[in-house]
Amino acid sequence: KNEVEQSPQNLTAQEGEFITINCSYSVGISALHWLQQHPGGGIVSLFMLSSGKKKHGRLIATINIQEKHSSLHITASHPRDSAVYICAVTGYTGNQFYFGTGTSLTVIP
Amino acid sequence: DAGITQSPRHKVTETGTPVTLRCHQTENHRYMYWYRQDPGHGLRLIHYSYGVKDTDKGEVSDGYSVSRSKTEDFLLTLESATSSQTSVYFCAISENGTPNTGELFFGEGSRLTVL
Repeated sequence: KNEVEQSPQNLTAQEGEFITINCSYSVGISALHWLQQHPGGGIVSLFMLSSGKKKHGRLIATINIQEKHSSLHITASHPRDSAVYICAVTGYTGNQFYFGTGTSLTVIP
Repeated sequence: DAGITQSPRHKVTETGTPVTLRCHQTENHRYMYWYRQDPGHGLRLIHYSYGVKDTDKGEVSDGYSVSRSKTEDFLLTLESATSSQTSVYFCAISENGTPNTGELFFGEGSRLTVL
């Protein structure tokens, strides 16, 4: 069973486009995380949020707790945004994180 | 930067040999995790630790053991490596004490190939 589902699995965009990646989860959570992994690279935390919206530069993350859904938006996409974006959640109880399988984004110049 | 380093970063070994991966952190975070990452599966938890000598199994713990004799080091051991354990292994820590409140930080990953 997958506690966290992401869509789309793969995404190709032209430079400058507005991008949305979606994450749905089936468990009660205390926090949701968006992570970024460049090809062959490490994993970097972009956001941790439990309600509302957060913004860092061109990246915006939103969460709707009632609908158990989060979105990651990238405005004015750039080739350097090409990476795998991973959604993860922390449950109310327990000491673990649950991960989606990631969305592979390619931004073409 | 949560001061996490993994070693070795790359290792090639033969089936049946023991392998130990080390995760070292410099900031005394309580929770540490070992994950493996494989195509199509995302990150899967192998073991985690919530303090010195306090560890618990994750969803893919068979064939792996861990030890945490001091706060800064979390070791992952493959007692007898198999080809199915070829993977990229990531260590992670949860900042701010607990998973419910802490941001996740990852090491650089250790690529293990078992021939």
